[in-house]
Amino acid sequence: DTGVSQDPRHKITKRGQNVTFRCDPISEHNRLYWYRQTLGQGPEFLTYFQNEAQLEKSRLLSDRFSAERPKGSFSTLEIQRTEQGDSAMYLCASGSGGEQFFGPGTRLTVL
Amino acid sequence: RKEVEQDPGPFNVPEGATVAFNCTYSNSASQSFFWYRQDCRKEPKLLMSVYSSGNEDGRFTAQLNRASQYISLLIRDSKLSDSATYLCVVKGYSGAGSYQLTFGKGTKLSVIP
Repeated sequence: DTGVSQDPRHKITKRGQNVTFRCDPISEHNRLYWYRQTLGQGPEFLTYFQNEAQLEKSRLLSDRFSAERPKGSFSTLEIQRTEQGDSAMYLCASGSGGEQFFGPGTRLTVL
Repeated sequence: RKEVEQDPGPFNVPEGATVAFNCTYSNSASQSFFWYRQDCRKEPKLLMSVYSSGNEDGRFTAQLNRASQYISLLIRDSKLSDSATYLCVVKGYSGAGSYQLTFGKGTKLSVIP
């Protein structure tokens, strides 16, 4: 499968714990995006990488959130001290031009 | 005003019906426009781009009115497999050196046998 992959697909954690998600983009894509989607809403932009450079961060991304793409390939999104409000689907997308291709997402539940 | 607004839905239509979705956007400098489809508990997938001249892909027709900042999607001869949430998406320059996609909330379509 040469699409965008994300791991894990589901994560259940207790409030206050740290979690880390991984995204493997389509190999030839230099752009990588993270989005968050809650029930009944469209995806909301969180952050964007071009190669290894993080070029933009949404105001939704509080200081508890950090994202990296150290070698310009896979990316990680870490949430520290999780809160119940962080429960959502975290989507990764990659692209090299106009279209963005989405991964299956990581569904986070914070208890 | 939200950046991208869509019909709230849900739309419940019989097979074979024609259904239209509307969308408005607030940023007049928006560059590109798309409709994405999202099945339940799945990721969004690009359905079609929307061009100023209007464009058609089989049973799907998309139109853009830049003056009114309005986008539409028409589905003819609805199939059961068309049941999904349709997301209106606008691409614009974010002002920080990149282009961003802004998604509407989506409109849920259920095609009923």
